[in-house]
Amino acid sequence: GAVVSQHPSRVICKSGTSVKIECRSLDFQATTMFWYRQFPKQSLMLMATSNEGSKATYEQGVEKDKFLINHASLTLSTLTVTSAHPEDSSFYICSARVLAGVYNEQFFGPGTRLTVL
Amino acid sequence: ELKVEQNPLFLSMQEGKNYTIYCNYSTTSDRLYWYRQDPGKSLESLFVLLSNGAVKQEGRLMASLDTKARLSTLHITAAVHDLSATYFCAVDGSYSGAGSYQLTFGKGTKLSVIP
Repeated sequence: GAVVSQHPSRVICKSGTSVKIECRSLDFQATTMFWYRQFPKQSLMLMATSNEGSKATYEQGVEKDKFLINHASLTLSTLTVTSAHPEDSSFYICSARVLAGVYNEQFFGPGTRLTVL
Repeated sequence: ELKVEQNPLFLSMQEGKNYTIYCNYSTTSDRLYWYRQDPGKSLESLFVLLSNGAVKQEGRLMASLDTKARLSTLHITAAVHDLSATYFCAVDGSYSGAGSYQLTFGKGTKLSVIP
């Protein structure tokens, strides 16, 4: 399957700082990218969907000013957690989708563990 | 609104035994996915089921899809400890505001295989 990378894999920051997470599709062009958040022992929760060159569509309850998403190219999307607080500590997973292709499948990145102190 | 229900949510089984995880969904869809997640890791794709009656097998795992019943099953045969993980089903059916289909996940089934 296709490969999606995320960087960094783990980040610890102080409360009030901003953190940027990069998501790249390495061997394909992703028409759409998704950002999920997962709390311990829970399922994935979709935060937002973005298409290249367009503004992201945020799910209900997700603050767009706090979680800034930029989908600058068909292979790169970034999530910036602004003024992070301890309650933002979570596992963030990006996913990329190709509309053209046999399976029209979503491929998941390895995740970023964010800890806000 | 598409809803996806998995059961059981927790499953403890002995090595060598067989068991089935069920995934029901609420609206029409003909595309269903099974993923495995190990602790601290992201999702690993196991199966993509694209049509009614689809059956796929990989090792000790077999997945099937009945779109008429809106049901998928993940069958575990002769479980081994290495299969211990959380298994998620996800259904492709919601069309997001961004103009793309998006996955709706079940809550996951935490499987523990006991030696």
